[in-house]
Amino acid sequence: EVQLVASGGGLVQPGGSLRLSCAASGFSFSSYWMTWVRQAPGKGLEWVAYIKRDGSVEDYADSVKGRFTISRDNAKNSLYLQMNSLRAEDTAVYYCARISVPGYYDYWGQGTLVTVSS
Amino acid sequence: EIVLTQSPATLSLSPGERATLSCGASQSVSGNYLAWYQQKPGLAPRLLIYDSSFRATGIPDRFSGSGSGTDFTLTISRLEPEDFAVYYCQQYGGTPRTFGQGTKVEIK
Repeated sequence: EVQLVASGGGLVQPGGSLRLSCAASGFSFSSYWMTWVRQAPGKGLEWVAYIKRDGSVEDYADSVKGRFTISRDNAKNSLYLQMNSLRAEDTAVYYCARISVPGYYDYWGQGTLVTVSS
Repeated sequence: EIVLTQSPATLSLSPGERATLSCGASQSVSGNYLAWYQQKPGLAPRLLIYDSSFRATGIPDRFSGSGSGTDFTLTISRLEPEDFAVYYCQQYGGTPRTFGQGTKVEIK
């Protein structure tokens, strides 16, 4: 059974940093591109970043470019999102998801809430 | 950036009725690479339809997707109580990947 378990969310002050993790199981993690998607309270879905199978390609939404870094450790079946210079508008539930060719998200983690507030 | 506009914002229907949800794209979606997701309160989205018209694993056949180019439709042939939720379309034919703003299907 495919499982994605996101963790690492919490309350952080504006300008602070947080690192999210996503533990994958039930599939060959190194064979899939992975992505982070976020959802602000009461709002819709927003793509944040994706990363290639071997970590050699990354891309980011303009809203997070230069502040967030996506990475992965295939030996640990884990996906990460390092978030720096956090702003109030980054407050959201962050979901990790698996990408199936040619690009849809077929499995999602349960999400982890990030709150940026003083 | 491809902007997706979903209509209506809210659809009020009774169980057993047919639901038709629309997703319009600001430019043609390459490969008709469009997906539909269902989201219930407090839960992660769930993939329903990919590549415009293919049902994901385990999705009942009352869900169907159609369309091409800039106009796409999700149809639920007969609403079951568990189908009342928010539905999002997403395109993956261009970068950045974008989502529509969602259609809420509520019980009338």
